[in-house]
Amino acid sequence: DTGVSQNPRHKITKRGQNVTFRCDPISEHNRLYWYRQTLGQGPEFLTYFQNEAQLEKSRLLSDRFSAERPKGSFSTLEIQRTEQGDSAMYLCASSLVPGFGNEQFFGPGTRLTVL
Amino acid sequence: AQSVTQLDSQVPVFEEAPVELRCNYSSSVSVYLFWYVQYPNQGLQLLLKYLSGSTLVKGINGFEAEFNKSQTSFHLRKPSVHISDTAEYFCAVTRTSGGSYIPTFGRGTSLIVHP
Repeated sequence: DTGVSQNPRHKITKRGQNVTFRCDPISEHNRLYWYRQTLGQGPEFLTYFQNEAQLEKSRLLSDRFSAERPKGSFSTLEIQRTEQGDSAMYLCASSLVPGFGNEQFFGPGTRLTVL
Repeated sequence: AQSVTQLDSQVPVFEEAPVELRCNYSSSVSVYLFWYVQYPNQGLQLLLKYLSGSTLVKGINGFEAEFNKSQTSFHLRKPSVHISDTAEYFCAVTRTSGGSYIPTFGRGTSLIVHP
């Protein structure tokens, strides 16, 4: 197992365009999380899935954001009508729950720049 | 709800000197505690975690942390740092039960090791 992977690693887009990011978790992990990280801040929770079910969404996740995890495997995060304030690092993490302490394994992130 | 305060945004130190990165948390329920490290343009990697038992926890790369319940602290220490320890360090907490186990992260401490 090679860990959590994310694609693309970098995305530059113009304001108003739609973007989609992909996350492939560790294969046996049933939970998958999306976070947003801006410069000088820790990761902020966006949403998480248990298998294919989206169980919680943060208030940070506006209606322009949507996430899916079909079949409980990989996940996609789509941002519609991007705004400059969406520029950030988007991190994906996976974990096995119940597990010991819910240790999360992070991917390398996708850095989004909205011009 | 939980909160995490990392008291120092930046800690400069010379190579081979000891270092302490401070973390205080607030929670009305029992928590698990974590320290993660983030190297430039990478995701987060778990350094160590406190779940139960001994309050002194040893992690990877020679780091250790001590859980102090009365002071609600979980400070990270290393007796002798290397240039390669230059990175961003994040403290995080999560509930031990009755919740979604979503971690709350601090804002991070940038450790800068000078030769």
